[in-house]
Amino acid sequence: KAGVTQTPRYLIKTRGQQVTLSCSPISGHRSVSWYQQTPGQGLQFLFEYFSETQRNKGNFPGRFSGRQFSNSRSEMNVSTLELGDSALYLCASSSEGTGANVLTFGAGSRLTVL
Amino acid sequence: AQSVTQLDSQVPVFEEAPVELRCNYSSSVSVYLFWYVQYPNQGLQLLLKYLSGSTLVKGINGFEAEFNKSQTSFHLRKPSVHISDTAEYFCVLRYSSASKIIFGSGTRLSIRP
Repeated sequence: KAGVTQTPRYLIKTRGQQVTLSCSPISGHRSVSWYQQTPGQGLQFLFEYFSETQRNKGNFPGRFSGRQFSNSRSEMNVSTLELGDSALYLCASSSEGTGANVLTFGAGSRLTVL
Repeated sequence: AQSVTQLDSQVPVFEEAPVELRCNYSSSVSVYLFWYVQYPNQGLQLLLKYLSGSTLVKGINGFEAEFNKSQTSFHLRKPSVHISDTAEYFCVLRYSSASKIIFGSGTRLSIRP
């Protein structure tokens, strides 16, 4: 069973640009969630999608957005990049997205904003 | 408000020694508790989970944790660590009624030969 695949693994952008990250969940998983990991703030929840609908959202500005496709693949977009957006972005998938479901994480996309 | 506190940011231990990584939580509603491990340049991997039932939970790689409701703790233990256990460990709380999640700040475990 293939794991959660995130692309790209590494990318460098400059301030003001936008970026799109992709996440392919485990086959059969309908919930995809996104997280930001930084040395200062640790791991923070961005948002969760289930069957193409955003079910939950963390406390991030509107520059951070996402979507989920009918095949459960998800993308997140960050517009007007700031230096503070430099982070490891992790996505995770689970079958139903409930609290008891185990999250399976991808290896992450490391974004550097210059 | 719900929260998760990992009491130690770094824990150095000698190889083959026992280790305990401490986690305390605060919640007024039912929660599920997890421990995840993160190796360098990788995502998080599940070690073990407490959903209900037996308070002693066994996980992968010889780790175990005990859920203590009265002390609101979920400490992770291993009787004998190996160099390969060097990683960062996260205590994680999820609500039973929603899919939101709270991460602890992480404990970096370093193993000395």
